[in-house]
Amino acid sequence: EPEVTQTPSHQVTQMGQEVILRCVPISNHLYFYWYRQILGQKVEFLVSFYNNEISEKSEIFDDQFSVERPDGSNFTLKIRSTKLEDSAMYFCASSVLEAGEAFFGQGTRLTVV
Amino acid sequence: GDSVTQMEGPVTLSEEAFLTINCTYTATGYPSLFWYVQYPGEGLQLLLKATKADDKGSNKGFEATYRKETTSFHLEKGSVQVSDSAVYFCALSGRGGSNYKLTFGKGTLLTVNP
Repeated sequence: EPEVTQTPSHQVTQMGQEVILRCVPISNHLYFYWYRQILGQKVEFLVSFYNNEISEKSEIFDDQFSVERPDGSNFTLKIRSTKLEDSAMYFCASSVLEAGEAFFGQGTRLTVV
Repeated sequence: GDSVTQMEGPVTLSEEAFLTINCTYTATGYPSLFWYVQYPGEGLQLLLKATKADDKGSNKGFEATYRKETTSFHLEKGSVQVSDSAVYFCALSGRGGSNYKLTFGKGTLLTVNP
């Protein structure tokens, strides 16, 4: 069964460092998303991506964040200069249709120290 | 803005007990409603959905009915199993323009004991 794959499963980084979280969406999907969940809090939408551009982003997704689909299969989330409050589980998701079922990856746990 | 409120956990039940996890929402227009489940060590999986008022979503013995009058989408199962132990998330997806992002509740941890 096709699935969304995220790497790494856990990343520890020092405050101020850049991190790149990687996702391989399901191959025929066209819409891509990043969500995050700070421990004990809600899963929050960060950004949606379609046709090689951001279609919507939340207020959380400030200039420190960027997304890219560099090679037609990977979908990455970059945090330019990590802060302690960026520590969270980050989920990638993809869907075939804009209103279709979103399939989620297993998540990357980011710990900023 | 849109929001989802679901009952606080954790919920602990014995096998074969009846399960209800309450979920209410606030949204403009006519959102689609979802329940996602996260088993230990896994990603979020869609459990069931409903796209319009009075629709009932069902899967694996779980059910939820879209109640517009009470803005609710409560999850129920008549007889839970140990394998149902997981975190359950209620979510909505707005409509209008290209806004199909999911808005989630906080999640409810369910533990089922044998």
